[in-house]
This record gives sequence, C-alpha cells and structure tokens, in this order.
Amino acid sequence: DTAVSQTPKYLVTQMGNDKSIKCEQNLGHDTMYWYKQDSKKFLKIMFSYNNKELIINETVPNRFSPKSPDKAHLNLHINSLELGDSAVYFCASTPSVNSPLHFGNGTRLTVT
Amino acid sequence: AQSVTQLDSHVSVSEGTPVLLRCNYSSSYSPSLFWYVQHPNKGLQLLLKYTSAATLVKGINGFEAEFKKSETSFHLTKPSAHMSDAAEYFCVVSEWDDKIIFGKGTRLHILP
Repeated sequence: DTAVSQTPKYLVTQMGNDKSIKCEQNLGHDTMYWYKQDSKKFLKIMFSYNNKELIINETVPNRFSPKSPDKAHLNLHINSLELGDSAVYFCASTPSVNSPLHFGNGTRLTVT
Repeated sequence: AQSVTQLDSHVSVSEGTPVLLRCNYSSSYSPSLFWYVQHPNKGLQLLLKYTSAATLVKGINGFEAEFKKSETSFHLTKPSAHMSDAAEYFCVVSEWDDKIIFGKGTRLHILP
C-alpha cells in the first residue's frame, strides 16, 4: 500500500494554464508538506499544514494555493503557470517534526 | 532560525573506499537531524535520524552519522562505498516550530 501518493506523476502544460497536483497519505499523520525541487536538486519548503490548518507559508507566489480538505489530503493548485514553475514537486507527511518525513514519489511539472 | 549547510556539492570516491559527506547546522534549540538519500528520478528515502539519544546514529545500507554539538556537525559516513550508493544526499534539520529545512544536497559519485 502506498503511504504517500501524488498524482499525476508527470504534468506537461503551457504557460498561463491552471493546474492541480493531488497528495494523499494513509499514515494517519497530522502534518503534511509541499516541497519544490529545482533543476539543481535544491529542495525548498513551500507549505505545511497541520490537521488541515496552514502553519507554514514560505515566500511562495500567491499563484500557488494549497488546499487541505481533510488531514489526509493536501492538494496544490497553481494558477497562471510560468516557465520558472517547472520543477519536481514533492508531498510529504510526518506525525511530528521530530519524526522522519514520508515522501511521495514526486510530480514532475514541465511548463512550456 | 535553523539552517543547514552541506559543505560539498559533489563528492567522488572509489568503490570500496570510505565515504564522508559533511553537514553543519545551526539551531536555536535541540534539533532533530536527518539524512535522506535520493536516487536518480526517485523520491527521498530516510537513511538515519538523530533525536537526542545516542550521538552515533546507525542507518540503513551501512551508513552512520555522528552528532557533534560542539562542532554543530552531523557528518555522514560509510566505511566502504558501493556503486549503488551513487545518489544525492540531503542533510535535514527540524525544530519545534514545524519547519523542516533541507541542505542543498551532496551528489555522491562512485568511481569503479
């Protein structure tokens, strides 16, 4: 059984479009994250939710909007996609900050 | 605020020789520290974690890391490199405020 699953695995779209990436975890964790990994492999935290409430919102353009309908899901919606949004986006969850992160397999977003 | 510095962006070692990947951190409180590994086109996998128990932490695949508070270091080592160890390695620090911060990664190359 997949613990943290992201869909889609690949997403190719044109500039200006709006797209969503979904994330679900079946681990019962309270905290979920979105990370962006750029072409240099640098992982940057974007958002964190704890039990459906936003607790971390880094300096991310407001074109990015996370949504957590329940504590098992944290979706990422991106409006007006730009070339610089091309990256791999990872969802992760953890029961607490002192526990390891469980990662999804990533969504490779390519904006053309 | 916490931060993580991985001192080498690339490390190359010959198969069968020791591996040393360096990580320094800064943290206001007692941090939790982790090492993750990312193989090409894969998600991230936990190698090991330090959470204020023993300062020498053993992980998977023969890796170890030693927490040295006086040096604010958490270097990752392995006595003998294997070709399958070629990957990107991330040092991670987390604190009570739910922020989990990744280092910029070290690419480990294994030479035959």
